[in-house]
Amino acid sequence: QSVLTQPPSVSGAPGQRVTISCTGSSSNIGANYDVHWYQQFPGTAPKLLIYGNSNRPSGVPDRFSGSKSGTSASLAISGLQAEDEADYYCQSYDSSLSAYVFGTGTKVTVL
Amino acid sequence: EVQLVESGGGLVKPGGSLTLSCAASGFTVNNAWMSWVRQAPGQGLEWVGRIKSKTDGGTTDYAAPVKGRFTVSRDDSKSTLYLQMNRLKTEDTAVYYCITLYNGSHKFWGQGTMVTVSS
Repeated sequence: QSVLTQPPSVSGAPGQRVTISCTGSSSNIGANYDVHWYQQFPGTAPKLLIYGNSNRPSGVPDRFSGSKSGTSASLAISGLQAEDEADYYCQSYDSSLSAYVFGTGTKVTVL
Repeated sequence: EVQLVESGGGLVKPGGSLTLSCAASGFTVNNAWMSWVRQAPGQGLEWVGRIKSKTDGGTTDYAAPVKGRFTVSRDDSKSTLYLQMNRLKTEDTAVYYCITLYNGSHKFWGQGTMVTVSS
């Protein structure tokens, strides 16, 4: 049972902006641990999309952006494209569990 | 180019054991913290365990569901990470990924190896 909660799905038309929330608690996101985001296409390994709350690895389009506030974080995809259709996961560290924790995952559908 | 290649997956009976390997290349393995993450069929990602670099103590931590049954180890001379899994349960069925850890983020992922626990 994940300690980071995400909406099961979000959708948007091409070109629109969508956001995915990641809600945690005072022992993980609220304890000032960084949030990271991953993108996963069916049948493939996840890929690091955002690290350290808001940083993009080389090669990740600037359409993807991350933010964090309090006990929550968000991933925004602006100018949504068909190729963005995938599953997205947030991840942080939980001091109560002494464990890395992943979010429940969000499926992004491009209408 | 960073490469992580997992192997050793397969079908095992409940209560059995299996050891996964992860061959690493393209980076300084000695300095890397490494992690195992699994994904059950149709489910989300679940962190399994982590091992620090030897210079940072080489210590391990595990998720509660596997603590006492799984062991993460490393052989830096062979650039290889291991996940020894004992007393396997049907709920351990998943794709297991080997990953480099960097400042808390799971940076580079292997392609994964499937473990099926079934009688």
